[in-house]
Amino acid sequence: DAEITQSPRHKITETGRQVTLACHQTWNHNNMFWYRQDLGHGLRLIHYSYGVHDTNKGEVSDGYSVSRSNTEDLPLTLESAASSQTSVYFCASNAGQGYGYTFGSGTRLTVV
Amino acid sequence: AQSVTQLDSHVSVSEGTPVLLRCNYSSSYSPSLFWYVQHPNKGLQLLLKYTSAATLVKGINGFEAEFKKSETSFHLTKPSAHMSDAAEYFCVVSGHRAGSYQLTFGKGTKLSVIP
Repeated sequence: DAEITQSPRHKITETGRQVTLACHQTWNHNNMFWYRQDLGHGLRLIHYSYGVHDTNKGEVSDGYSVSRSNTEDLPLTLESAASSQTSVYFCASNAGQGYGYTFGSGTRLTVV
Repeated sequence: AQSVTQLDSHVSVSEGTPVLLRCNYSSSYSPSLFWYVQHPNKGLQLLLKYTSAATLVKGINGFEAEFKKSETSFHLTKPSAHMSDAAEYFCVVSGHRAGSYQLTFGKGTKLSVIP
């Protein structure tokens, strides 16, 4: 069955370190998204991609970057982790307008 | 631009009584609307979606929602709450502007079910 997987499930890192969160989907979806979830804020869009080599900034993109070298993967990189980036991160993919979105299980990141 | 307002941050109901979770949206384009559920320490599961077909949408686990354009609302209902419904619920809008597939989430409504 097709799926979307995130790794790692949990990560603790130190302030200032570079961290990469992986997202891999086997749906063959063109559209992929990264969200962060924080209490009282719901989910907020960080970056998104509509296809290979396409990346776009979302609502809360400062301090984050993504790259899309193939259809399956959209890794999220924190260039220099900050305590404010402690959060739960969700990756999602979608086939296009009118279609539902499939979410990964999330990565809980703690920056100490 | 698009936005979603979930009118209640917390709703508490007794088991067996009706559930109503309220959502208002704003969108410059004909929207797609979704309800997602998140159980504690779990990912997000799609409950139902509206994509300009029937205005009354039926979802999983007995939930349904009605799209009311005149009221810009998409409230989620269930006739009889079950203990397993206790979770956080998110109302979500996706714009239909060509080439735009981003989701905008409401801040969530936590549903508690009292035995």
